[in-house]
Amino acid sequence: QKEVEQDPGPLSVPEGAIVSLNCTYSNSAFQYFMWYRQYSRKGPELLMYTYSSGNKEDGRFTAQVDKSSKYISLFIRDSQPSDSATYLCAMNENSGYALNFGKGTSLLVTP
Amino acid sequence: DGGITQSPKYLFRKEGQNVTLSCEQNLNHDAMYWYRQDPGQGLRLIYYSQIVNDFQKGDIAEGYSVSREKKESFPLTVTSAQKNPTAFYLCASRADFSGNTIYFGEGSWLTVV
Repeated sequence: QKEVEQDPGPLSVPEGAIVSLNCTYSNSAFQYFMWYRQYSRKGPELLMYTYSSGNKEDGRFTAQVDKSSKYISLFIRDSQPSDSATYLCAMNENSGYALNFGKGTSLLVTP
Repeated sequence: DGGITQSPKYLFRKEGQNVTLSCEQNLNHDAMYWYRQDPGQGLRLIYYSQIVNDFQKGDIAEGYSVSREKKESFPLTVTSAQKNPTAFYLCASRADFSGNTIYFGEGSWLTVV
């Protein structure tokens, strides 16, 4: 079983829709959770960072962590065509040396 | 501007040749990383370095080599021993080894012809 599972998509939604992206993981020691956005042929950029359980909001983006279910989500409100990208979840333990990445979900927001 | 600079952006290599990908950061970060990204494979760790003159193998180090002679530089050499080197290579850095977020460069595309 992979440590981090993420549905590769593609996920296609109309402009203005609420998008839900998700990852599950198996290692209960993971404490830090991140979402990266990667445009085609570009390096990933850090979008959201969350410690332990709970929600974090930044503009149109909300990151949610449910450690009891080993499940994290990224919600995008009022989605825009410019949100079309691949979204990668990543996580690690308190003293981990490297991030554990999901394979990424491809999102397409159509006008 | 602070950031991570990778060069070249695109590189073509003949089979049997070694090539070196450059990674420079001016963020004063201690830890640096090299990842490989293939379609549908996600990010796989090649090598990482916590401090100058020290580095460790990641999950797929075979056929690759690195050096860390300066804090700001972490070049990756793709050797002829790497069986399938065509991929997108990403360099990253983190403020300190126990820090929890890493930042990426723009990547280098390597194609073997």
